Amino acid sequence: GNSVTQMEGPVTLSEEAFLTINCTYTATGYPSLFWYVQYPGEGLQLLLKATKADDKGSNKGFEATYRKETTSFHLEKGSVQVSDSAVYFCALMVRSGGSNYKLTFGKGTLLTVNP
Amino acid sequence: DSGVTQTPKHLITATGQRVTLRCSPRSGDLSVYWYQQSLDQGLQFLIQYYNGEERAKGNILERFSAQQFPDLHSELNLSSLELGDSALYFCASSLGGLAVNNEQFFGPGTRLTVL
Repeated sequence: GNSVTQMEGPVTLSEEAFLTINCTYTATGYPSLFWYVQYPGEGLQLLLKATKADDKGSNKGFEATYRKETTSFHLEKGSVQVSDSAVYFCALMVRSGGSNYKLTFGKGTLLTVNP
Repeated sequence: DSGVTQTPKHLITATGQRVTLRCSPRSGDLSVYWYQQSLDQGLQFLIQYYNGEERAKGNILERFSAQQFPDLHSELNLSSLELGDSALYFCASSLGGLAVNNEQFFGPGTRLTVL
């Protein structure tokens, strides 16, 4: 089956530190990969995505590269800010039959950035 | 603000009871998705409706049901509630069916507490 494993949190960093949140996946076929972010008290928002091997998704200073050989999609940011404090979800999407797709999420990683 | 609204924001009820959660999608979106987020299970896809018809089913219990009305709002009905049903329930919407280039927009969620 399809599954996403991401590093367990919580992750606590100081402002301007480098961030890596690891994500690996298991999937049948060729998945598309996503990172979502959930700020306190809000719903999830799409942060970035990659649809094929070696694609790099980027947004708001965050980056992730689709690595098929290691089945990974690690999230990175060079210099985090307090406003980046949130829960980050890695997810994959595969076709589940016909024109239907299925989205599978990891368990989420809580990031806290201290000033 | 994603444009997806959910009511109520919080719901507290007792075991064995029945509740209804409501979701209004973004204007123009035809698909509605329901998710359950709990500490132990993470974010689980429950069910998807597209233009009034059920499109995909995830890990939805038989005690749970949903529907999408002609005005495209959706309701999730949870019955014979158990303590383990306590969770955050999210609704999301998208223009078309779930697809890589068809972003889902999440509502702020309804927090259900079963006592």
